[in-house]
Amino acid sequence: DVVLTQTPPTLSATIGQSVSISCRSSQSLLDSDGDTYLNWLLQRPGQSPQLLIYSVSNLESGVPNRFSGSGSETDFTLKISGVEAEDLGVYYCMQATHAPLTFGSGTKLEIK
Amino acid sequence: EVQLVESGGGLVQPGRSLKLSCVASGFTFSNYGMNWIRQAPGKGLEWVAYISSGSSYIYYAETVKGRFTISRDNAKNTLYLQMTSLRSEDTALYYCARLGQLRVMDAWGQGASVTVSS
Repeated sequence: DVVLTQTPPTLSATIGQSVSISCRSSQSLLDSDGDTYLNWLLQRPGQSPQLLIYSVSNLESGVPNRFSGSGSETDFTLKISGVEAEDLGVYYCMQATHAPLTFGSGTKLEIK
Repeated sequence: EVQLVESGGGLVQPGRSLKLSCVASGFTFSNYGMNWIRQAPGKGLEWVAYISSGSSYIYYAETVKGRFTISRDNAKNTLYLQMTSLRSEDTALYYCARLGQLRVMDAWGQGASVTVSS
């Protein structure tokens, strides 16, 4: 199975600060169809996960554009440009290139 | 509005069975593959099972293969997870999630809590 390693495990930020979360894959996530099925999800406290970014860098509808994703093959990054209070929670990367689909272990974002 | 509502969770003894349901609304259920994802208390997300839109393709995580059965009734807009031979390590919040285009989990239910304990 593909292992996704997220760093850091926890992140503490002030409002307005920019932060980045890394997701490294044990295998290339470039599919034979040319797409890279790496997604980012946010799970706010007490809530279900919600999709933020799909296929590395595409913003899901309704997600603020302070969120951005980048990367390729095995190295991916989620950036939040100007953290807001509502951004606190646990961020997960998820890959759907290789079966079974797998999740990273999560990065908990705390607001100082 | 897309909605997924799970039910059927509860407290069950080790070795017993439980069946979860997930009722979908707000979209054409029969057009989408569906997944069960679980989250043990204080832990991360673990994919459990997948079923294609017409039930032709079904896959399971190794941790539940042979014990869990995913199924769906497109006429009732309902996804199921039959869980047998339950173990303490199956204790988790079980989410149903829609698999949208580009293999994204673009809709999630609120979860059904399953506790396996004597």
